[in-house]
Amino acid sequence: DIQMTQSPSSLSASVGDRVTITCQASQDISNYLNWYQQKPGKAPKLLIYDASNLETGVPSRFSGSGSGTDFTFTISSLQPEDIATYYCQQYDNLSPLTFGGGTKVEIK
Amino acid sequence: QVQLQESGPGLVKPSETLSLTCAVSGYSISSGYYWGWIRQPPGKGLEWIGSIYHSGSTYYNPSLKSRVTISVDTSKNQFSLKLSSVTAADTAVYYCARAKGSLQFDPWGQGTLVTVSS
Repeated sequence: DIQMTQSPSSLSASVGDRVTITCQASQDISNYLNWYQQKPGKAPKLLIYDASNLETGVPSRFSGSGSGTDFTFTISSLQPEDIATYYCQQYDNLSPLTFGGGTKVEIK
Repeated sequence: QVQLQESGPGLVKPSETLSLTCAVSGYSISSGYYWGWIRQPPGKGLEWIGSIYHSGSTYYNPSLKSRVTISVDTSKNQFSLKLSSVTAADTAVYYCARAKGSLQFDPWGQGTLVTVSS
């Protein structure tokens, strides 16, 4: 199985701050990496697909980058409504699909 | 737009079979895409259970494969999950979702909590 190591597991930042989350795959997954936002009591929501593509309707302050084994998710200017847990997810021939452990983002 | 809705018992006894259905509206399952089940134990992360292609081909998480069956009913535009021999470790919120392109899940159902307890 491909392991996804996501860090940090939690972070606290001020409104307007730049927030960065990383996800490392245990083997090369090309750009098959997706990012989700999950607010408490809600289903996850797709934000970024194929490492860097912004899903339709998602604010441009969210972005993703990377390929191979190292990936980064960035919120350029943290907003109060961005409080959530963020997950990365890899796809490599359904071998199986795996998610990172999640990063809980809080407001300082 | 595409909407998914999970349904099924919220309480299952240990050793029994968990059965859930995902009703899809706004899109015909037979038209394409993978469809999947993902679960989340209380306070924990996400675990992919398995996916089914519109043609009926299935792909399961090896950690659950011996206990999982996913099927599709195109006439009812829904797909289903069966998980046998459940234990307390199977207590989780179960989500259904459509999988596009590079198996990114979107949209998701609202999720349904299934508790395994006697």
